[in-house]
Amino acid sequence: AQSVAQPEDQVNVAEGNPLTVKCTYSVSGNPYLFWYVQYPNRGLQFLLKYITGDNLVKGSYGFEAEFNKSQTSFHLKKPSALVSDSALYFCAVRGGLSGNTGKLIFGQGTTLQVKP
Amino acid sequence: KAGVTQTPRYLIKTRGQQVTLSCSPISGHRSVSWYQQTPGQGLQFLFEYFSETQRNKGNFPGRFSGRQFSNSRSEMNVSTLELGDSALYLCASSLPRGHSNTGELFFGEGSRLTVL
Repeated sequence: AQSVAQPEDQVNVAEGNPLTVKCTYSVSGNPYLFWYVQYPNRGLQFLLKYITGDNLVKGSYGFEAEFNKSQTSFHLKKPSALVSDSALYFCAVRGGLSGNTGKLIFGQGTTLQVKP
Repeated sequence: KAGVTQTPRYLIKTRGQQVTLSCSPISGHRSVSWYQQTPGQGLQFLFEYFSETQRNKGNFPGRFSGRQFSNSRSEMNVSTLELGDSALYLCASSLPRGHSNTGELFFGEGSRLTVL
């Protein structure tokens, strides 16, 4: 069965410092991996995805993620954090055997707190 | 292009009542998925509809149901409400494969249901 783990409930960083939000996954077959961000009382916004190709994926708002097949990880990174990056971050893997499905399996979420 | 629209945004019901939530996908999107978000269980997949047919279903009781109309709009219904049904219900739309599908889901702002 597909699953996703985000080992940290909260990550605290200072503004201007690099940030990493961790994610590991377990899938059957090739993984379709995603990162979403959620601001308070809002829906989820897509940040980036990995389906195939380069292991380093670039996304919205300066975020990037590194796919590591041997470690089954897909960590979210940003070179320089902003206070406005403070939000709830979700890692997800597509839940179906086919890539063509709207079923995502989400991690529990990691709250990112960026302090000025 | 308008995003995913969910109505109502907030509602309060009492135990035993039923509720219907509505979702209008992005124009041209034919797949609609529903998710329940709670502090304890996180984001959980409810069901997915494509071309008016349920394509995937999560592990929820039969009190949770949905449907999709010919214009791709979708509704979900929860009957005999329980306190534990209090949650943010998120709708997401996407394109099917073969239609420039980039893989990600586009989420609405959600409908926050409170059951008293």
